[in-house]
Amino acid sequence: AQRVTQPEKLLSVFKGAPVELKCNYSYSGSPELFWYVQYSRQRLQLLLRHISRESIKGFTADLNKGETSFHLKKPFAQEEDSAMYYCALSRNTDKLIFGTGTRLQVFP
Amino acid sequence: KAGVTQTPRYLIKTRGQQVTLSCSPISGHRSVSWYQQTPGQGLQFLFEYFSETQRNKGNFPGRFSGRQFSNSRSEMNVSTLELGDSALYLCASSPQSQSSYEQYFGPGTRLTVT
Repeated sequence: AQRVTQPEKLLSVFKGAPVELKCNYSYSGSPELFWYVQYSRQRLQLLLRHISRESIKGFTADLNKGETSFHLKKPFAQEEDSAMYYCALSRNTDKLIFGTGTRLQVFP
Repeated sequence: KAGVTQTPRYLIKTRGQQVTLSCSPISGHRSVSWYQQTPGQGLQFLFEYFSETQRNKGNFPGRFSGRQFSNSRSEMNVSTLELGDSALYLCASSPQSQSSYEQYFGPGTRLTVT
């Protein structure tokens, strides 16, 4: 079965520290992977997708098919990065399967 | 373009009642998906509609149903409400490009069942 696992419910770091939010998936085919973010009192929005290989707000994520991972990284966390982050998997433009989310807290 | 809109934003219902939630997708988007978001379970997929047809369905009981109209607007209905149905219900629309399945979310409808 397709599954997305985010092992950390909460990740707390200080401003300026590196951040890595973990995401592992199980899927036998070629998945499309996304990171969605939900800031306080805002709607869920797309942060980045693996096919774009882009950096958004300093965040990057690399798809590692060997380790079936799609970890989200940022070298220097900012307080405004505090939010809920969801990793999601799509299979052949089918439905999105979300992980349970990781809350990132960035302290000043 | 205007974003995805959902009405109502807040709703309080009593056990046993039924409720209908509405979603208007971004103009031109033909796919509409519904999710239930709770603190314990996170985001769980309910169903997806495309061109008025249900294409995918999650693991929810038959009390949860939906439909899509010719203008792509969608409604979700929950009958015989239970306390556990209290949640934020999110609607998302997609342009359905071939290269990705990027979804745009609405603000949600907060349903409280008492």
